Amino acid sequence: QSALTQPASVSGSPGQSITISCTGTSSDVGNYNLVSWYQQHPGKAPKLMIYADNKRPSGVSIRFSGSKSGNTASLTISGLQAEDEADYFCSSYAASSTYVFGTGTEVTVL
Amino acid sequence: QVTLRESGPALVKPTETLTLTCTFSGFSLSSIGLCVGWLRQPPGKALEWLALIDWNSDQYYNTSLKTRLTISKDTSKDQVVLILTNMDPVDTATYFCARAYRDYEFSFDYWGQGTLVTVSS
Repeated sequence: QSALTQPASVSGSPGQSITISCTGTSSDVGNYNLVSWYQQHPGKAPKLMIYADNKRPSGVSIRFSGSKSGNTASLTISGLQAEDEADYFCSSYAASSTYVFGTGTEVTVL
Repeated sequence: QVTLRESGPALVKPTETLTLTCTFSGFSLSSIGLCVGWLRQPPGKALEWLALIDWNSDQYYNTSLKTRLTISKDTSKDQVVLILTNMDPVDTATYFCARAYRDYEFSFDYWGQGTLVTVSS
């Protein structure tokens, strides 16, 4: 189970849109429609933002959207706000009921 | 209201066995579609999934750590226990328990605040 690959950091100005990529393999991201995205503020527990590639749990802002193409999933944050500054992790189901997580991306709001 | 809370030692010595308890409320682990998992995060690093137990008591493990991990549940106490043997300084991390729910395709929708475990002699 190798970690999914994410960019170390992404930044944007308030109001802009940013996209975070998450690259796996045909054994995980590319084989199941089960990519999740989590937001984590410093010292806090992660929060589920996207599940099943592109579904939003109730209560999550519509500014957050997920997509996938082949072995790469993406999280887009539209209308970037100061409160979006956090770390973001992707995760994928990876057969035999196991999970693999991404390396994490630090989002900075300029 | 769903809550989870991790408890266990803050410091363990190398080669010792770590036992962590997740005490939860607001759901029953005997309900179909509900699971509890354990994850960890070394300081400044990425999350790593460790283990999961489901409503049927089926257990699933990170293949890299499988020989060292045991997960179990006590439905009457609403608790899930994780045991990690032969601790090493590289196991220093914040350990989280989290709920996985079928309606969210078994993503982790509720998390505990985490407990920091340091491995040092």
